[in-house]
Parts: sequence; structure tokens; C-alpha cells
Amino acid sequence: GAGVSQSPSNKVTEKGKDVELRCDPISGHTALYWYRQSLGQGLEFLIYFQGNSAPDKSGLPSDRFSAERTGGSVSTLTIQRTQQEDSAVYLCASSGIGTQGYYGYTFGSGTRLTVV
Amino acid sequence: AQKITQTQPGMFVQEKEAVTLDCTYDTSDQSYGLFWYKQPSSGEMIFLIYQGSYDEQNATEGRYSLNFQKARKSANLVISASQLGDSAMYFCAMRVMNSGYSTLTFGKGTMLLVSP
Repeated sequence: GAGVSQSPSNKVTEKGKDVELRCDPISGHTALYWYRQSLGQGLEFLIYFQGNSAPDKSGLPSDRFSAERTGGSVSTLTIQRTQQEDSAVYLCASSGIGTQGYYGYTFGSGTRLTVV
Repeated sequence: AQKITQTQPGMFVQEKEAVTLDCTYDTSDQSYGLFWYKQPSSGEMIFLIYQGSYDEQNATEGRYSLNFQKARKSANLVISASQLGDSAMYFCAMRVMNSGYSTLTFGKGTMLLVSP
């Protein structure tokens, strides 16, 4: 597609439930990133996929967080046994060489997760 | 490790005036890229401008220009002729190009409010 698509746009879940967040990157972009943005804060890196290489999971805050990327395209971020501190906006970005010749990043509109 | 510092939590400017948003960065790498993003209340991250570390001229994109001072490790965003629609959160970010750990590191952001 023309942009990075994330779904759902909003998710309210009960504490302890599992949630899945989806990201559909720009076609042809080999790199995909997940970030978390808590209220009033900057963006916190979570995980990075590059092509078929093993993902960089160094930003995942706990083992309740996991992500996969199927076929080098769509990615799913899974949060198990959600906690209230998981409430945040989860942003996905994909990157590739843009028309200006540099390595640019395009962000999706994010998923606002609220754990009640 | 890479670090981005934005020292202005909030800035106020009157419509049609120019405003400078500060950004300093820290990296030991010689090849890197600097980005500015705008995040309105809708939450999307909008790319504004890019500066490569080897670019000799300051980047410009319409009303946006990047005042790049490499020796001081600063990459301030200048918005000329502010408009009401410029009210948003602004993030400075850096990508290190030669690192196997390839991702964007963000500052904490500056909230810009443009008044009539």
C-alpha cells in the first residue's frame, strides 16, 4: 500500500488478557520497527526486523512482549498478560531508500492500547 | 550509545514569527542521519526534514530548515512564518548508518504552540 497500516487503531483490554497488534509496512520496505510511546513521552524502541535476518529484540521490556514478521511483510506485536503499564500508543515504521536517496522512515498511525 | 537531547519541553510562538527548536546529539559514529518529525494531536508521525552527517549544506524543506552544526553536535529545526497548524509535538531523531543496530533514536520532544 501507499503507507504503513496499523490495526486496530484503538484497543481496550482487560488486565491479564493477551493482545495482538498488526502492522502492514510499505511494499518493498525490508526494515520494520516497533516503538512504544507512553503518554507525554518520546518514542521507545521495542524491536527491529531487517529482511530475513534475526530480529533485534533488545528493546522489548519484558518476556511478555514478542513480535513476528511473516514472509518479510506483515508484523504482529503480541503482549501477553497485559498490565496497566502497557497502556501506550504502539507505533510501527518501515524504512527503505526513498526518492531523495536516503534511508527514510514512514510511520503508521499507531494503535492506542488501554489496559483497564 | 546514541543520545538525542531536546531541552525545550514547550515553546510558544506567535503566528507568522520564526521559531527554533533545539536538538543536540551524541554519537561516536562518523556516518549518521538526523531527522525531525512532527506529531499533531492525531498521533501520526509526520516526516519533516533530513540531514546527513556528510551533507555540507543545511537541509531545507519549504518553511523548515535544519541548522546543522556538526562540531557542536546540534541539529536545530527552524520553522519560518509559523502557522496555527504548526502546533504539535516535534521530535528530533538520529540514525547511525554504520551500526549493525540500525534504528532511530528519538529525543523526548518539544511541544510547540502557535498563537494567533
